[in-house]
Amino acid sequence: SQQGEEDPQALSIQEGENATMNCSYKTSINNLQWYRQNSGRGLVHLILIRSNEREKHSGRLRVTLDTSKKSSSLLITASRAADTASYFCGEMGGSEKLVFGKGTKLTVNP
Amino acid sequence: ETGVTQTPRHLVMGMTNKKSLKCEQHLGHNAMYWYKQSAKKPLELMFVYNFKEQTENNSVPSRFSPECPNSSHLFLHLHTLQPEDSALYLCASSQGDLGQPQHFGDGTRLSIL
Repeated sequence: SQQGEEDPQALSIQEGENATMNCSYKTSINNLQWYRQNSGRGLVHLILIRSNEREKHSGRLRVTLDTSKKSSSLLITASRAADTASYFCGEMGGSEKLVFGKGTKLTVNP
Repeated sequence: ETGVTQTPRHLVMGMTNKKSLKCEQHLGHNAMYWYKQSAKKPLELMFVYNFKEQTENNSVPSRFSPECPNSSHLFLHLHTLQPEDSALYLCASSQGDLGQPQHFGDGTRLSIL
């Protein structure tokens, strides 16, 4: 089935460290999108990477895409306590439905 | 301010009640979505509306009934729900093509007694 899987499920780091989260998906995609969700809030879009792109940057965020391995990674550099949240990847395939994984819960300790 | 407003934020109802969730977007988007988020499960797409027309019903039980009177408003009518329907219900909208990023509201936390 078309469903992204984030890895790890939970990640705890110290402020200032980098955080890397991975996402694997099963089908051919048009694009892959990363979202953040703070506790008790909705999802916030971070970055969209198209199937013909390999890397994309936005501020302290760096997303890579490897279509041969059907995987993507999200790197947050110089993490802050405010980065504490759950992070989700959503795969957008031919059906044009955005299908999410279970997410990675990131905790950044001050 | 996300541009997508959901009301109420919290709802507790009995299994025989009828209630409605409301979503309003102020972003000029054409597509609107309902998602269900349960603990330890991936976010589940329920319904998609594009230009007020329902384009997706992801095998959702008939006790959930969506309504989209215009491109800015989306409702989810609830009746005779089950305890397993307790979850966070999220509304989202997107611009134009369905491949665009989605903007989410903060959800309605629904508890079924």
